[in-house]
Amino acid sequence: DGGITQSPKYLFRKEGQNVTLSCEQNLNHDAMYWYRQDPGQGLRLIYYSQIVNDFQKGDIAEGYSVSREKKESFPLTVTSAQKNPTAFYLCASSTPGAEETQYFGPGTRLLVL
Amino acid sequence: EDKVVQSPLSLVVHEGDTVTLNCSYEVTNFRSLLWYKQEKKAPTFLFMLTSSGIEKKSGRLSSILDKKELFSILNITATQTGDSAVYLCAGIYNQGGKLIFGQGTELSVKP
Repeated sequence: DGGITQSPKYLFRKEGQNVTLSCEQNLNHDAMYWYRQDPGQGLRLIYYSQIVNDFQKGDIAEGYSVSREKKESFPLTVTSAQKNPTAFYLCASSTPGAEETQYFGPGTRLLVL
Repeated sequence: EDKVVQSPLSLVVHEGDTVTLNCSYEVTNFRSLLWYKQEKKAPTFLFMLTSSGIEKKSGRLSSILDKKELFSILNITATQTGDSAVYLCAGIYNQGGKLIFGQGTELSVKP
């Protein structure tokens, strides 16, 4: 089955800890995206990547980092510099030029202990 | 600053009612507007609107875009409890493919 997987489903972070959220797709999409969703708010773009080994900051990149070493994978690290990380994180992928067909993963809910 | 604003933020209706959700946008180099339905997990795609005045329909859902007034509406007729969800609209930039989302409208349909 083609699709996007995210893991874990729930993640707990301690103070001062870096955590990494996984996103994998087997849709052969070049573009991948990370969004954050807070209660009562829409999705806000953290980082996106149009091609392997290249990525750009979105609107709220501070306190986050990404890598894109493989086409299939776009992990997101929430660093200790992100002071309010509790949120629902969604990964998506698409073909460049066809962003309307962004496929979303099931999401990871990050909670701070 | 580019932005997408949805209204109302929340709405409670009864089954059988018709609802209209609003989305206004200010997006530089605007290309298209998207509507999504989100039920607790990942958003699912509903409509893409690129041309003004052309209604898109899917069952009881329909949507239209007004590029002069910079807004879109999503109509749901004969609502059902299964329509309860957060409805998101998003604008697409013409270059780079970024989406900018509105806050969402949380629709609750009571039996």
